[in-house]
Amino acid sequence: QMQLVESGGNLVKPGGSLRLSCAASGFTFTAHYMTWMRQAPGRGPEWVSDISGGSRYTNYAESVQGRFTISRDNAKNSLYLDMSSLRAEDTAVYYCARKVGGRYEAWYDPWGQGTLVTVSS
Amino acid sequence: QSVLPQPPSVSGTPGQRVTISCTGSGSNIGAGYDVHWYQQLPETAPKLLIYGNTKRPSGVPDRFSGSKSGTSASLAITGLQAEDEGDYYCQSYDSSLSGYVFGSGTKVAVL
Repeated sequence: QMQLVESGGNLVKPGGSLRLSCAASGFTFTAHYMTWMRQAPGRGPEWVSDISGGSRYTNYAESVQGRFTISRDNAKNSLYLDMSSLRAEDTAVYYCARKVGGRYEAWYDPWGQGTLVTVSS
Repeated sequence: QSVLPQPPSVSGTPGQRVTISCTGSGSNIGAGYDVHWYQQLPETAPKLLIYGNTKRPSGVPDRFSGSKSGTSASLAITGLQAEDEGDYYCQSYDSSLSGYVFGSGTKVAVL
């Protein structure tokens, strides 16, 4: 069955950097946009970034534009999120998710189990 | 302030029917964009529950149903069960924000 497994979350100081990874299995990875979501404590999910199957198109939330970089390695069925200039407000559980559906009608299925990023001194 | 406000909580006894509203505007639900729903059980990741306003993925019980009308959408749970306790989120596209947005979330409690 489809599975997504994130890794790389950690405690990092403000201004620091971190790389998250997501390993995909059970579906044709190259055929789908892939997405990073995050969920701060006590809050709902927030869309962070996505990337097209061939890496040609990338999109970012305004809150992370210029600080986060999404990438993928289709040979390894893996998705990445490079985060820099981290702030306390970036503290959240980060999920990777497969994007399904059209340009404006997309939904997300499945989601990984999440990896916790804590930004604190 | 969420773009898609939901009631903070709803509750019911086992077997009851509960509904969760998702209130949008002319730049999201009212513009015709589809609404999708996710269930997040305690200490787990969100799971797709309803897509395309009314469709259930394989494996989701038919106790869960979605609807959409005008600028809002609803999720109904009939025959409420203890295992349904958790948080529920709606999601849609917003043309003003040029991005996908989630609702504020509703906690379902089974009394």
